[in-house]
Amino acid sequence: ILNVEQSPQSLHVQEGDSTNFTCSFPSSNFYALHWYRWETAKSPEALFVMTLNGDEKKKGRISATLNTKEGYSYLYIKGSQPEDSATYLCASSGSARQLTFGSGTQLTVLP
Amino acid sequence: SQTIHQWPATLVQPVGSPLSLECTVEGTSNPNLYWYRQAAGRGLQLLFYSVGIGQISSEVPQNLSASRPQDRQFILSSKKLLLSDSGFYLCAWSVAGGVSYEQYFGPGTRLTVT
Repeated sequence: ILNVEQSPQSLHVQEGDSTNFTCSFPSSNFYALHWYRWETAKSPEALFVMTLNGDEKKKGRISATLNTKEGYSYLYIKGSQPEDSATYLCASSGSARQLTFGSGTQLTVLP
Repeated sequence: SQTIHQWPATLVQPVGSPLSLECTVEGTSNPNLYWYRQAAGRGLQLLFYSVGIGQISSEVPQNLSASRPQDRQFILSSKKLLLSDSGFYLCAWSVAGGVSYEQYFGPGTRLTVT
């Protein structure tokens, strides 16, 4: 994998459903994996930064896992709410300071 | 606390006109600064980053340029805009030498080149 790839590109779920997205990234020269939440008309907001293989982070109903050996991360949302509707971006950083972003997963939670 | 400002929020410019977008950060010193662009239907693309005054690294060859005249000021410019320059431009900062390189984004500028 040369780039950061996210799937699915978009997702519609019903309020109360749990859901998850995938982020794939180059496992070589890896330093950190970032998840951002980007609501319409707002700035991207940092959710998690993970560096170690097996890392798990949680913030409320949102959690994320990291597998650096195989180069993937999952973001989970438990009991989705309409306010969770946003684009979720992941980004990988190597030893340099730059983040390489995926194209994002656009989540719509239907009431 | 740290804050990041960008202006203008929206801009409509004709092809061939110049561009200047400004970004300033408050509440921190010697930040790393970044310019990103999101073109329609695409992800965030890093355009420039800076680790200090006058130090600019370009990630993508294009007709845009960046400058950092002061520690917490980052400017994105173009002498002649192209239609393909349309998009959403985001400025971001991070702590210099930060172990996680977490970046904090400004509110963005929506640029439409007509």
